[in-house]
Amino acid sequence: RKEVEQDPGPFNVPEGATVAFNCTYSNSASQSFFWYRQDCRKEPKLLMSVYSSGNEDGRFTAQLNRASQYISLLIRDSKLSDSATYLCVVNNPYSSASKIIFGSGTRLSIRP
Amino acid sequence: DADVTQTPRNRITKTGKRIMLECSQTKGHDRMYWYRQDPGLGLRLIYYSFDVKDINKGEISDGYSVSRQAQAKFSLSLESAIPNQTALYFCATSDIGEGETQYFGPGTRLLVL
Repeated sequence: RKEVEQDPGPFNVPEGATVAFNCTYSNSASQSFFWYRQDCRKEPKLLMSVYSSGNEDGRFTAQLNRASQYISLLIRDSKLSDSATYLCVVNNPYSSASKIIFGSGTRLSIRP
Repeated sequence: DADVTQTPRNRITKTGKRIMLECSQTKGHDRMYWYRQDPGLGLRLIYYSFDVKDINKGEISDGYSVSRQAQAKFSLSLESAIPNQTALYFCATSDIGEGETQYFGPGTRLLVL
């Protein structure tokens, strides 16, 4: 089982729709969580950190469920410019080999 | 100017050749990383360094070596390139004070023939 798993998609939704996707992680000792956005052929960039109490940044809401070991990203009123791949990232400082684990990403496509 | 730069941006090489990918940063971060990205596999960590005297293997270090020449520079070498090392390579930096948020360079596209 992968340490961090995401549905690869693609999610194809109309402009203005609300879309949500989850990411599950296997190591309960994981301490910090992030969502990154990656445009085609570009580098990943931090979208938002995920806090225990949940957090919102404009149209984006991130939540953490430690009991079920997943994080979620909700995008409201989606824009064409939201089309990208969204990477879930988990930081486990107690991992011996790789403390920061990236999911393989969920591809989102917004259609007009 | 970009905070994290990588050179070259694109490289085509032949099997068996030694090549070096370079990364420089102006963010003042101690921690630097090399990742490769392959379709469907996401980002995988090759090596990381928490300061100039610290080098650690990541998930997929075989066939690669690194050098941390200074706080701002971290280079990745392929001693004898092979076709399955064809990938997109990213350098990244982080600062423990920012919860390990990763700042990525623009990437190097490597094709090994």
